Amino acid sequence: DAGVIQSPRHEVTEMGQEVTLRCKPISGHDYLFWYRQTMMRGLELLIYFNNNVPIDDSGMPEDRFSAKMPNASFSTLKIQPSEPRDSAVYFCASSLKRGSEQFFGPGTRLTVL
Amino acid sequence: GNSVTQMEGPVTLSEEAFLTINCTYTATGYPSLFWYVQYPGEGLQLLLKATKADDKGSNKGFEATYRKETTSFHLEKGSVQVSDSAVYFCALHYQTGANNLFFGTGTRLTVIP
Repeated sequence: DAGVIQSPRHEVTEMGQEVTLRCKPISGHDYLFWYRQTMMRGLELLIYFNNNVPIDDSGMPEDRFSAKMPNASFSTLKIQPSEPRDSAVYFCASSLKRGSEQFFGPGTRLTVL
Repeated sequence: GNSVTQMEGPVTLSEEAFLTINCTYTATGYPSLFWYVQYPGEGLQLLLKATKADDKGSNKGFEATYRKETTSFHLEKGSVQVSDSAVYFCALHYQTGANNLFFGTGTRLTVIP
């Protein structure tokens, strides 16, 4: 298995632009998680899905952030409009079932100028 | 509430030194406990876990024992290698309720030859 796949690996954009991050979980995994990692705030859970349904989005910072999972093999995290304070590494992770090990993707490093 | 507290880093050790990274938790029930490791430029990966009191998780020479009486899950390794240089995260998870991993802030370990 290729593991969790994220794209792009690096994204540099200007303030106000729309940014879309993509994730392909491991096949057969029921849960998908989006995290954000910064030096100041550490690792934060933004949202997670179970069987493509959003379960907990309390970590989404504000309305500029949205996440979708249209099918079991694809999810997106969108920021519109982006701001410099959104600069971070965004990780996607998936797990087979409730409470099982989470497998992380390599992350997308986002820089908003 | 639920929280995980890790010792402040960074930690710098010489090769073959003994490693301890402290982790304590606050929880209302009986969580499972995890150590994840993040190597430079990569996502997190599970290092070891323990699901109940007095369990010992071990992997790659690392060990941690679930101590309910002290609410701790300290990570230890008898002889570190340069390749162990990474950021280590302690985390907890409940078997019921929200399927969240609660992460500590991470401890950066650097091992010098």
